[in-house]
Amino acid sequence: QVQLQQWGAGLLKPSETLSLSCAVSGGPFSGYYWTWIRQSPGKGLEWIGEIDHTGSTNYSPSLKSRVTISVDTSNNHFSLKLTSVTAADTAVYYCARGDRINVVRGVQYVYIHDAFDIWGQGTMVTVSS
Amino acid sequence: QSVLTQPPSASGTPGQRVTISCSGSNSNMGNNYIYWYQQLPGTAPKLLMYRNNQRPSGVPARFSGSKSGTSASLAISGLRSEDEADYYCAAWDDNLSAWVFGGGTKVTVL
Repeated sequence: QVQLQQWGAGLLKPSETLSLSCAVSGGPFSGYYWTWIRQSPGKGLEWIGEIDHTGSTNYSPSLKSRVTISVDTSNNHFSLKLTSVTAADTAVYYCARGDRINVVRGVQYVYIHDAFDIWGQGTMVTVSS
Repeated sequence: QSVLTQPPSASGTPGQRVTISCSGSNSNMGNNYIYWYQQLPGTAPKLLMYRNNQRPSGVPARFSGSKSGTSASLAISGLRSEDEADYYCAAWDDNLSAWVFGGGTKVTVL
């Protein structure tokens, strides 16, 4: 079955760059949105952004200026970089697979975003001086 | 402040029915499907309901979902102790070109 295994540094100082990666195994890499989601301590889920196998990205408007998501299709993994971190970026970071489906909108078929059906185990990242 | 609005908590005794609401706007829930995720303590979220009312394989029929306009709800019938978890709704927002989540509802089994 498809599994996501994530890794990266768990302790950062303010102003440093957060860097996490997520390896995809057991299934195809193309045809999905490879996604990063975070959860601050005691808080809800926050979508960070996504990338597909072609390298096309979408980012959260609130994080867009600091986020880069990249993909390595030869090794079936994708990565997250978040620059200039502060204590507010302390969170558990999850990678996830976002599905997509083909639906009729008006007179044409379009792809739309579908469920996050597979999740990584999560990585706690703490930003502290 | 989350884009989608959920009550922070809900509770019931074993066997009862509990309902969690989620409200949004035309740009997210009005135009797109709603999804629900269950997060047990200390674990990653898990897909519980997709495309408004579809249950993934393995999710008990006690869970059901519905959507009308810009509001949706998740119902848990025959509440069990293992249902004690946080529940999040989510939808794609066409204006933001981003996924938005509700703030989460903590379900407690009394």
